[in-house]
Amino acid sequence: DGGITQSPKYLFRKEGQNVTLSCEQNLNHDAMYWYRQDPGQGLRLIYYSQIVNDFQKGDIAEGYSVSREKKESFPLTVTSAQKNPTAFYLCASSTPQGPLFGPGTRLTVL
Amino acid sequence: SQQGEEDPQALSIQEGENATMNCSYKTSINNLQWYRQNSGRGLVHLILIRSNEREKHSGRLRVTLDTSKKSSSLLITASRAADTASYFCATAVVYGGATNKLIFGTGTLLAVQP
Repeated sequence: DGGITQSPKYLFRKEGQNVTLSCEQNLNHDAMYWYRQDPGQGLRLIYYSQIVNDFQKGDIAEGYSVSREKKESFPLTVTSAQKNPTAFYLCASSTPQGPLFGPGTRLTVL
Repeated sequence: SQQGEEDPQALSIQEGENATMNCSYKTSINNLQWYRQNSGRGLVHLILIRSNEREKHSGRLRVTLDTSKKSSSLLITASRAADTASYFCATAVVYGGATNKLIFGTGTLLAVQP
């Protein structure tokens, strides 16, 4: 089955710790995206990558970092510099009709 | 600020009724898309309408786009309890070159009562 997977579904971390969220796709899509969603809010773009070894900041990149060493993988690291990291994180890859979203990771920082 | 603003923020209807959600945006767009999100889940793409299109249908969904008013509407006909979800509009604008950036609104929470 082709698709986008994110792991884990729920993640708990202590304040001050870095944490990496996984996003994998086997759809052979070039472009991948990370969005953040807060309760009752729409999605905000954190980072995006159009091709391997290239990525660009979105609207709210501060406190986050990414890598794109493989086409299939676009991991997001939430660093201790992110002031309000507790949120729902959604990864997506592109189709001609628009982004196809993964199931999301809910990160809670205690 | 958000590009898209949905109206209403929340909507509660009876099964079988029609549900209409509206979206307004601020800048020129390449296309506008509607997504659905069940509680705590990822987003599911519903329909895309291009800037040169005025109306599009997909099953029980009907989307209209008025670029002069910078607004779109999503109509769900003959609603079902399973349609209960949040619905988001997203506008695609050119960003950082050729990439279309999707800017999301805050969503409409639809509750369909059985």
